[in-house]
Amino acid sequence: EAAVTQSPRNKVTVTGGNVTLSCRQTNSHNYMYWYRQDTGHGLRLIHYSYGAGNLQIGDVPDGYKATRTTQEDFFLLLELASPSQTSLYFCASSDRGDTQYFGPGTRLLVL
Amino acid sequence: GDQVEQSPSALSLHEGTGSALRCNFTTTMRAVQWFQQNSRGSLINLFYLASGTKENGRLKSTFNSKESYSTLHIRDAQLEDSGTYFCAAGYQNFYFGKGTSLTVIP
Repeated sequence: EAAVTQSPRNKVTVTGGNVTLSCRQTNSHNYMYWYRQDTGHGLRLIHYSYGAGNLQIGDVPDGYKATRTTQEDFFLLLELASPSQTSLYFCASSDRGDTQYFGPGTRLLVL
Repeated sequence: GDQVEQSPSALSLHEGTGSALRCNFTTTMRAVQWFQQNSRGSLINLFYLASGTKENGRLKSTFNSKESYSTLHIRDAQLEDSGTYFCAAGYQNFYFGKGTSLTVIP
């Protein structure tokens, strides 16, 4: 089974702050995803990638950048954090865009 | 509007009983996944289906792409089945429903 890790697990920042969330998967999956989960909305796709150097825009990309530096590593960047970005963030990976395996999540609080 | 609609939004079951969760899609979807989010918040992949039916222990899922729906059947519910169940449909880019919160009562 795929191993997906996320760091940090919890993060507190202030409005206007700069935050980077990290995700690593160790099964050489091609696809990686960033989602946010909010009460009443389920999971919503922010960005995804199908390989190193590739980036695809998801459904709620505003205020977020992402970068896939290697096959294993996918980063989510919030350059000017706002309180509306307080959320639970999940990273996931899949081999061919099929079965997705999720990381444990990162709780972000923007004050 | 939402492309994936889940029902019911909440469900209570007594131990040993069963029920079905449903997802309806507003457009044709190529595949569906079902996940359980447990009490620790972890998302566990239960099924991936491109068609037909799959079964795993007390869980069974069906995907009907022509009629745009999928179901997840739970039988002989146990306390550890409590959690929120999500379906997600699409391919490469998946759209999630808002979930069904399941409580299993002793």
